[in-house]
Amino acid sequence: DIQMTQSPSSVSASVGDRVTITCRASQGISGSLAWFQQKPGKAPKLLIFEASSLQSGVPSRFSGSGSGTDFTLTIGSLQPEDFATYFCQQVNSFPLTFGGGTKVETK
Amino acid sequence: QVQLVESGGGVVQPGRSLRLSCAASGFTLSNYGMHWVRQAPGKGLEWVATLWYDGTNKYNEDSVKGRFTISRDNSQNTLFLQMSSLRVDDTGVYYCATNKMGTPGYYFDYWGRGTLVTVTS
Repeated sequence: DIQMTQSPSSVSASVGDRVTITCRASQGISGSLAWFQQKPGKAPKLLIFEASSLQSGVPSRFSGSGSGTDFTLTIGSLQPEDFATYFCQQVNSFPLTFGGGTKVETK
Repeated sequence: QVQLVESGGGVVQPGRSLRLSCAASGFTLSNYGMHWVRQAPGKGLEWVATLWYDGTNKYNEDSVKGRFTISRDNSQNTLFLQMSSLRVDDTGVYYCATNKMGTPGYYFDYWGRGTLVTVTS
């Protein structure tokens, strides 16, 4: 199985900050990676697919990059509605696996 | 618009069975690959099962193989997850999700609100 390791597990930031979250796969997955945002009590929301493609309706301050084993989600200028938990997911092969999550909290 | 509504969750004893439903509206279920994902209380996301759009391929996470079965009823436009031999560690919120159309791979774009399954003696 492909293990997905996210870092950091939490980050404290302020509105307007640039936030970067990293996801590492235990083996190469090409660009087969998704990023999700989840708020408490809500379903996850797809932000990025194919490592760097922005899902329709998602603000352009969100961006993804990477290929192979190392990936990054960047929030260009953090907004109040962006405080949430973020998950990466590899979709290269079954079993499809998620990272452990990164909680973006208010500093 | 696309809507997914899960139901069938509840409190059940270990070893018992439960069937979850995911009612789809705004689209034809048989045209889409579909997924179940679960989340234990306070924990991360775990993929559970996938049914491919043409119904030919099914995939299950190892810990549920032989116990959970994903299926659909096209006439009801509904996805199911039949769960048997339930264990305490199956407890969590179960979400259904659509596979993103038009993109190669298994990207989960529309999600339901989830249904809570609690396995306890």
